Amino acid sequence: RKEVEQDPGPFNVPEGATVAFNCTYSNSASQSFFWYRQDCRKEPKLLMSVYSSGNEDGRFTAQLNRASQYISLLIRDSKLSDSATYLCAVNGDNDMRFGAGTRLTVKP
Amino acid sequence: SAVISQKPSRDICQRGTSLTIQCQVDSQVTMMFWYRQQPGQSLTLIATANQGSEATYESGFVIDKFPISRPNLTFSTLTVSNMSPEDSSIYLCSVSSGLRNEQYFGPGTRLTVT
Repeated sequence: RKEVEQDPGPFNVPEGATVAFNCTYSNSASQSFFWYRQDCRKEPKLLMSVYSSGNEDGRFTAQLNRASQYISLLIRDSKLSDSATYLCAVNGDNDMRFGAGTRLTVKP
Repeated sequence: SAVISQKPSRDICQRGTSLTIQCQVDSQVTMMFWYRQQPGQSLTLIATANQGSEATYESGFVIDKFPISRPNLTFSTLTVSNMSPEDSSIYLCSVSSGLRNEQYFGPGTRLTVT
């Protein structure tokens, strides 16, 4: 079993749609959680951290469920510019593990 | 967040040769990492570059193939030795920073081995 698993997609959605990604992790001792965005031929960039209480940044909402060991990312009112691959990341003791990424394409 | 640069940004190399990739950070950081990412695939951690001691390698990666230097807190190099076409990939360095040890990535080095 992989340490961090994501649905690879692709997710193809129209502009304005709401889309959600989930990510499960196997290490129950994981301490911090993140979502990264990676555009084609670019490096991953930190999108947002995921806090236990859930957190929101504009159209993006991240949630953590420790009991079920998964994190989620919700994107509301999708824009064309949201098209990218979204990677979840789970950190133990400075031991970051990345999911394989979920590809999102937002279409006009 | 830290500003990270990598050199070269890309290279095409012949099999059997070696390439050294440099990673420079604009501030002192404790933890630096080297990853590999093949097209359409996830990030694979190669090793953690430790300042003042040998790098810590992940399973499947060995020092003879991927020697790493970390002479100070702002710089590291990764060498891909005796290259074969299977080494063709993007190599990224990253640094750990912030209260939650989030990682920030360099722009990557795109390596093609012919």
